[in-house]
Amino acid sequence: DAGVTQSPTHLIKTRGQQVTLRCSPKSGHDTVSWYQQALGQGPQFIFQYYEEEERQRGNFPDRFSGHQFPNYSSELNVNALLLGDSALYLCASSPRPGYYNEQFFGPGTRLTVL
Amino acid sequence: QKEVEQNSGPLSVPEGAIASLNCTYSDRGSQSFFWYRQYSGKSPELIMSIYSNGDKEDGRFTAQLNKASQYVSLLIRDSQPSDSATYLCAVNYGAGGTSYGKLTFGQGTILTVHP
Repeated sequence: DAGVTQSPTHLIKTRGQQVTLRCSPKSGHDTVSWYQQALGQGPQFIFQYYEEEERQRGNFPDRFSGHQFPNYSSELNVNALLLGDSALYLCASSPRPGYYNEQFFGPGTRLTVL
Repeated sequence: QKEVEQNSGPLSVPEGAIASLNCTYSDRGSQSFFWYRQYSGKSPELIMSIYSNGDKEDGRFTAQLNKASQYVSLLIRDSQPSDSATYLCAVNYGAGGTSYGKLTFGQGTILTVHP
């Protein structure tokens, strides 16, 4: 049973560029959430997708956008990259949105902005 | 601002001892609570979830929840060097159905188990 997968593993970009990160949820899961984890901090919620719609959003600017496809996979796009966007980007999947559903994380994408 | 606070570390315990990790949260409307383990350079791994007051045991791990005190803890019995990691407390704030699915994390507690 495949777990959550993410690509790429690592990425190096320069300020002002745009980046797209990809995530495939665990088999049987249809909800995808994205988190940003800066070094030494806990993950911070970016947004959640369910039924191809953004259902919730954290305190992130509009430069952060996403998409969910009919096969439940998801993309995170970040425009006009800033140095402060350097972080580990984590995708988590769950069976459906809800108070009790456990979220399982993928291996993450390490983004470095120079 | 809904917050999750974890006891400051790092926490160092000898092999075989009980490690106690603590977490407090600010919103009484919280519905579910999770502990994740994160090894250096890796992603968080779910190790425990708890939804009701009391204790929940899974192997060497015990999660304890006290909603009146807004407190959740994780006990690791017979600690092993392989338990050395950062432990993240996460809370799912269920305010009227609009916050479901969003996890708010603490800053993490680094645990070191020394032989």
